Amino acid sequence: DTEVTQTPKHLVMGMTNKKSLKCEQHMGHRAMYWYKQKAKKPPELMFVYSYEKLSINESVPSRFSPECPNSSLLNLHLHALQPEDSALYLCASSYRTGGGQPQHFGDGTRLSIL
Amino acid sequence: TQLLEQSPQFLSIQEGENLTVYCNSSSVFSSLQWYRQEPGEGPVLLVTVVTGGEVKKLKRLTFQFGDARKDSSLHITAAQPGDTGLYLCAGNTPLVFGKGTRLSVIA
Repeated sequence: DTEVTQTPKHLVMGMTNKKSLKCEQHMGHRAMYWYKQKAKKPPELMFVYSYEKLSINESVPSRFSPECPNSSLLNLHLHALQPEDSALYLCASSYRTGGGQPQHFGDGTRLSIL
Repeated sequence: TQLLEQSPQFLSIQEGENLTVYCNSSSVFSSLQWYRQEPGEGPVLLVTVVTGGEVKKLKRLTFQFGDARKDSSLHITAAQPGDTGLYLCAGNTPLVFGKGTRLSVIA
């Protein structure tokens, strides 16, 4: 069982829909991350939050909008996505950023865009 | 951008065989991490190596960090079908992942 919980596990949406992915951890970690993983590829970093503030945006299109309401929660709001956005979206957390901190991953949300 | 090259990309072996997976870079890393990812799940951390030349063991898995901290290896002894998965090395912050080694252990 993972200590990082992601919901939903699967999501199918049309290109005009608005949906949100949720991530939760209660390990007291102050760094949280969103990754995108395409089939048979490694995870690619999208966003990094440190102490609830966005510290890294890896040039992600604005149709992806992250939000960190508090130290335990991380959301990813989706709007007007494209078929190529279909992927596994992974959330991770670590004690802090920096210093090779190990990251704890959730099991991801598998997103399909019709 | 610091790149991590993993080899081999794919490996299919019989149960009981030994294998080694490599993670190489031209850059120095303060630490490297190894993860295993199974289908339908997120990556799970196996180990973090920090000191050049360091060797860590996790049951049948032996991890080594190169003396210059530019490379690492993962050796599995007597592979089991349960070892099947995608093995990823990753370094620095934010994490940069190698492309992974997809291991299949056949009973």
